[in-house]
Amino acid sequence: GAVVSQHPSWVICKSGTSVKIECRSLDFQATTMFWYRQFPKQSLMLMATSNEGSKATYEQGVEKDKFLINHASLTLSTLTVTSAHPEDSSFYICSARTGTGVLDEQFFGPGTRLTVL
Amino acid sequence: GENVEQHPSTLSVQEGDSAVIKCTYSDSASNYFPWYKQELGKGPQLIIDIRSNVGEKKDQRIAVTLNKTAKHFSLHITETQPEDSAVYFCAASKEGSARQLTFGSGTQLTVLP
Repeated sequence: GAVVSQHPSWVICKSGTSVKIECRSLDFQATTMFWYRQFPKQSLMLMATSNEGSKATYEQGVEKDKFLINHASLTLSTLTVTSAHPEDSSFYICSARTGTGVLDEQFFGPGTRLTVL
Repeated sequence: GENVEQHPSTLSVQEGDSAVIKCTYSDSASNYFPWYKQELGKGPQLIIDIRSNVGEKKDQRIAVTLNKTAKHFSLHITETQPEDSAVYFCAASKEGSARQLTFGSGTQLTVLP
């Protein structure tokens, strides 16, 4: 299947700092990427949908000023957690859609573990 | 919006036995149903999916069935092996520009050697 990478795989930061997470589709162009958040032993919760060249669409309850998403190219989307606090500690996962048609699939990155001290 | 319920939350089976995980969905417009396997500390991996125009799909030891009338779909794993131990998530989505996935709550499958 298609490969999606994330960088970094884990990050520890101090409260109040900003952290950027990159999501790349390595062998395909992704017009749509998604960002999820997953707490321990829980399911994936969609945070936002990102389309190349346009503003991201955020799910209800997700602060767009805190979680900045930039989908600069067809293979790269970034999530920046601004002024991170301990409650932002979580597993952040991106996914990329392989196309726009009925036969497209969604592949996930390996995730980024964020720990805010 | 869509709501996906998944059962059971935990499942233990003996190696070689079969495992079945069931999901129900609420939105009759949903037409794409993937299953993901997630190992500890990793992202979900697509293991099989089914679209609403078919009732069953099989890939070696893994099969998925879909009952559109009842709005439920199931994952079947035969001849389970210890490496099948992981968390399995079902999901549902429908046609649209984004095709956002709604996930079930997950099933922790443990295959006992």
